[in-house]
Amino acid sequence: DAKTTQPPSMDCAEGRAANLPCNHSTISGNEYVYWYRQIHSQGPQYIIHGLKNNETNEMASLIITEDRKSSTLILPHATLRDTAVYYCIVRVASGGGADGLTFGKGTHLIIQP
Amino acid sequence: NAGVTQTPKFRILKIGQSMTLQCTQDMNHNYMYWYRQDPGMGLKLIYYSVGAGITDKGEVPNGYNVSRSTTEDFPLRLELAAPSQTSVYFCASSPYRGRHNQPQHFGDGTRLSIL
Repeated sequence: DAKTTQPPSMDCAEGRAANLPCNHSTISGNEYVYWYRQIHSQGPQYIIHGLKNNETNEMASLIITEDRKSSTLILPHATLRDTAVYYCIVRVASGGGADGLTFGKGTHLIIQP
Repeated sequence: NAGVTQTPKFRILKIGQSMTLQCTQDMNHNYMYWYRQDPGMGLKLIYYSVGAGITDKGEVPNGYNVSRSTTEDFPLRLELAAPSQTSVYFCASSPYRGRHNQPQHFGDGTRLSIL
């Protein structure tokens, strides 16, 4: 799986959009970008994933650049409950999911009131 | 649905003791995983299973054993506990959907201290 690079921490004001960047310059054609988050003292929670098209669900939007070397997770209206560590993970699309996820240190997003 | 349930939530062990961390899921997922998370670090895969009767090693399997006798349960066994095994342990599961990797669902963890 390709390596990812994320800033160690970010602040965002409550009610504003939180934009979390991720660099994955060595991503290969069959690898998806996954985002998980971990709220303090809880297990990681899946947010969203995508291959090359932008994706949106009830939690967030994922914007992947055309060359796929970087992506941005967008939380459109951040709340205090979005304070968490956010992990960007690149993973092969196929294989049935038998392998584990490779977690780095992620970005600690702090939502300020 | 309860999702992925881990017990106990907290445990303190003495060096050399053994214990089993329990994990059960009620989503009928084929795949199950055990991770550990050391302070300030990301998760590392210990063992995983693609179905009942089948297990395989992850990145950091030494000092641990697993079994998968049913689809629902995936216990993690620590033999001869060592201080280096002080960590938070997470169990996860994911469904099988053909060849496309599916998101993993995590439990809330077991916090284990070895003294």
